[in-house]
Amino acid sequence: RKEVEQDPGPFNVPEGATVAFNCTYSNSASQSFFWYRQDCRKEPKLLMSVYSSGNEDGRFTAQLNRASQYISLLIRDSKLSDSATYLCVVNRDRRALTFGSGTRLQVQP
Amino acid sequence: GAVVSQHPSWVICKSGTSVKIECRSLDFQATTMFWYRQFPKQSLMLMATSNEGSKATYEQGVEKDKFLINHASLTLSTLTVTSAHPEDSSFYICSARDLLAGGGSASTDTQYFGPGTRLTVL
Repeated sequence: RKEVEQDPGPFNVPEGATVAFNCTYSNSASQSFFWYRQDCRKEPKLLMSVYSSGNEDGRFTAQLNRASQYISLLIRDSKLSDSATYLCVVNRDRRALTFGSGTRLQVQP
Repeated sequence: GAVVSQHPSWVICKSGTSVKIECRSLDFQATTMFWYRQFPKQSLMLMATSNEGSKATYEQGVEKDKFLINHASLTLSTLTVTSAHPEDSSFYICSARDLLAGGGSASTDTQYFGPGTRLTVL
């Protein structure tokens, strides 16, 4: 079983739509959680950290459920520029990051 | 934010040759750098953890004699792919942990990624 699992998609949504991605992780000792965005043939870039209380950054909302070992990302009012692959990432004991395989989003005009 | 550079950004080489990739933290010190590899449509997979002044720690299945890592200073780590073969063609990405960021808290651990090096072995 993969340590971080995501639905690969693709999610094809129209501009302005709300879209949600989910992720599960298997290691209950995981301590920190992130969503990264990766554009084609580029390095991943940090989108936001995910906190137990849930957190919001503009149109993006992240939630963490430690009991279920589940992380989500909600994107409201999708823009064409949101098209990318979204990577669910967990970290433990300040080690290397463990990446999910990513969920591809395509926002269409 | 902190900047990590990688050089070269892409390289094409013949089978059997060796390729060196550099990863530099430009405006911060990094005792630890990580090397990842990403094949098309797959996740980033950790290859090794590079520690300044000591031997790298390799993940299971990664040959240390094939992927030589040197972390000679707090701002530079190098990955050398020796005797490269077509199956080594991949996107190699490094990340660096900011020594002074986060105050030691795992929840604020910040890693910065280089732009990646695309290796094609013919």
